Amino acid sequence: AQSVTQPDARVTVSEGASLQLRCKYSYFGTPYLFWYVQYPRQGLQLLLKYYPGDPVVQGVNGFEAEFSKSNSSFHLRKASVHWSDWAVYFCAVSMTSGSWQLIFGSGTQLTVMP
Amino acid sequence: GPKVLQIPSHQIIDMGQMVTLNCDPVSNHLYFYWYKQILGQQMEFLVNFYNGKVMEKSKLFKDQFSVERPDGSYFTLKIQPTALEDSAVYFCASSLVDIYAEQFFGPGTRLTVL
Repeated sequence: AQSVTQPDARVTVSEGASLQLRCKYSYFGTPYLFWYVQYPRQGLQLLLKYYPGDPVVQGVNGFEAEFSKSNSSFHLRKASVHWSDWAVYFCAVSMTSGSWQLIFGSGTQLTVMP
Repeated sequence: GPKVLQIPSHQIIDMGQMVTLNCDPVSNHLYFYWYKQILGQQMEFLVNFYNGKVMEKSKLFKDQFSVERPDGSYFTLKIQPTALEDSAVYFCASSLVDIYAEQFFGPGTRLTVL
């Protein structure tokens, strides 16, 4: 069955440090992949999306992600974290079999230390 | 950017009562979704709605659930009767086009069934 795993429930980094949030997916076809961010008391906002093509995708606020078919991964990266990046990050996959639903990971809470 | 609103932000009701969760989607969007997130678990797809019809639903979308969007007003999720296991945060989303399009999410309604 299709699934998304975010193995790290919580990640803590210092402001200015680099960041990687991990995402592994399980899907038999060609996935469409998304990273969303949720700030407190707000809805999910799209950071970036991957459609088949260039494996490295650029998103908003300096985020990027790299798709790896061999590793079934779609890790999110940022070169220098800002305190405003403190939020919960969700990885999601959209099935390409005619379904509208997004399948989400359990989320990673990012804490940014001064 | 475009915003999805959800009313109320928190609802507390007794088991067996009816509840209606309201969503005000992005004004020109055509596809509407509900997702459910139980505390500490992954967000899961419930239903997708387009042109007055349910297009797809998951096994979580029980017979007690219904959705509608009368006359282009709120997109609603009704649960009648409610059960204890319906306690969760319900997220509404909308998109302009269909599969693979970015879904815009509301901040969620926390439903507590006593």
